[in-house]
Amino acid sequence: GENVEQHPSTLSVQEGDSAVIKCTYSDSASNYFPWYKQELGKGPQLIIDIRSNVGEKKDQRIAVTLNKTAKHFSLHITETQPEDSAVYFCAAIFTGTASKLTFGTGTRLQVTL
Amino acid sequence: DGGITQSPKYLFRKEGQNVTLSCEQNLNHDAMYWYRQDPGQGLRLIYYSQIVNDFQKGDIAEGYSVSREKKESFPLTVTSAQKNPTAFYLCASSMQSTGGQPQHFGDGTRLSIL
Repeated sequence: GENVEQHPSTLSVQEGDSAVIKCTYSDSASNYFPWYKQELGKGPQLIIDIRSNVGEKKDQRIAVTLNKTAKHFSLHITETQPEDSAVYFCAAIFTGTASKLTFGTGTRLQVTL
Repeated sequence: DGGITQSPKYLFRKEGQNVTLSCEQNLNHDAMYWYRQDPGQGLRLIYYSQIVNDFQKGDIAEGYSVSREKKESFPLTVTSAQKNPTAFYLCASSMQSTGGQPQHFGDGTRLSIL
């Protein structure tokens, strides 16, 4: 069935280092892949998204890459800062499900000083 | 400011009681969604609505009910049939219902059992 796997479940990096979170999806016809950041007690906030006709997208310190052949996409955060500490979720839309997103299980990122 | 408002922030349910969670959006979005979030898990879809007066079951609809009488409102009722209701409930909305549109989330309602 529809599935999104996300790794790692926890990630600790030092301030200024880069962080990479990876997701794989099951439906090769999926065409939209958003990333969300969730802070404690808050709802998820969209931070970046990518469509299947694009291989990479950047927004300041955040980038997402998509490999359609391998069916995986990754979030890259460079020059990490303490305020980047949060839980990050990847998601994908599967064909035939209209706007129904399937989410990964989340990655807790901790940026240490 | 445009956004999604969920209320209450915290809610307690007694045994055998139905409770209703409110979700209101002023983004003029067509589609609205309800998700359940449990610790260590991703968000799971309960119900979604692509248009007023229409809604569909998500992956975990049992024990829940919804209505969509107005475009801006999509309340969720957690019924007594839901035996494990303790969770963080999130409401979202998006501009269109097809083609992959960003979903915007509210800040959630945390439901606990008394």
